[in-house]
Amino acid sequence: EVQLVQSGAEVRQPGATVKISCKVSGYTFSDYYIHWVQQAPGKGLEWMGLIDPGDDETIYAEKFQGRVTIAADTSTDTVYMELYSLTSEDTAVYYCARSNSATDYWGQGTLVTVSS
Amino acid sequence: DIVLTQSPDSLAVSLGERATINCKSSQSVFHSPNNKNYLAWYQQKPGQPPKLLIYWASTRESGVPDRFSGSGSGTDFTLTITSLQTEDVAVYYCQQYFSTREFTFGPGTKVHIK
Repeated sequence: EVQLVQSGAEVRQPGATVKISCKVSGYTFSDYYIHWVQQAPGKGLEWMGLIDPGDDETIYAEKFQGRVTIAADTSTDTVYMELYSLTSEDTAVYYCARSNSATDYWGQGTLVTVSS
Repeated sequence: DIVLTQSPDSLAVSLGERATINCKSSQSVFHSPNNKNYLAWYQQKPGQPPKLLIYWASTRESGVPDRFSGSGSGTDFTLTITSLQTEDVAVYYCQQYFSTREFTFGPGTKVHIK
């Protein structure tokens, strides 16, 4: 069974950094891209970027370029997303999802709250 | 960058009636070498991650009821729900995966019962 299990909710102060994990199972890690998607409260889906765990190639959305890092650990089949210089606008649920075309399996989401 | 727009923003449909959602892309997402449209549709219910319904514009994901169908090509696409059920109340998003630099989503269409 394919599963993407994300780490738990986080609370950070403005200016801080958050790192979220997405552990996958049930398929060959290197066969699928892993994407990260942001969803602010009551808002739509915003694609942040992806990683190809097969070769560690990353692509970031222009909006998040320079403020996000996505990395993969092939020893644990886990992908990490690190978001820097947090502001209140980064308060959102963050999802990981896998694809080799459309994104077919998604993690359960991780709520990040940015508040002083 | 490819921009997706959806219409309407919100849709009220009676149970058992048809719901039609449109998605327009700022540029073609049709890839002629493989004759495929790089367009997907997702359903999202409150508190849940999005669920893939349709990919390649018209291929239904395994387990998705056949009342959901996708059509269109190039820049104009449609998601149709025939005979709307209570459990179909959700927000529906289109997404393009043609551009390998940015996998953009549409703004979403909220479907509710009239």
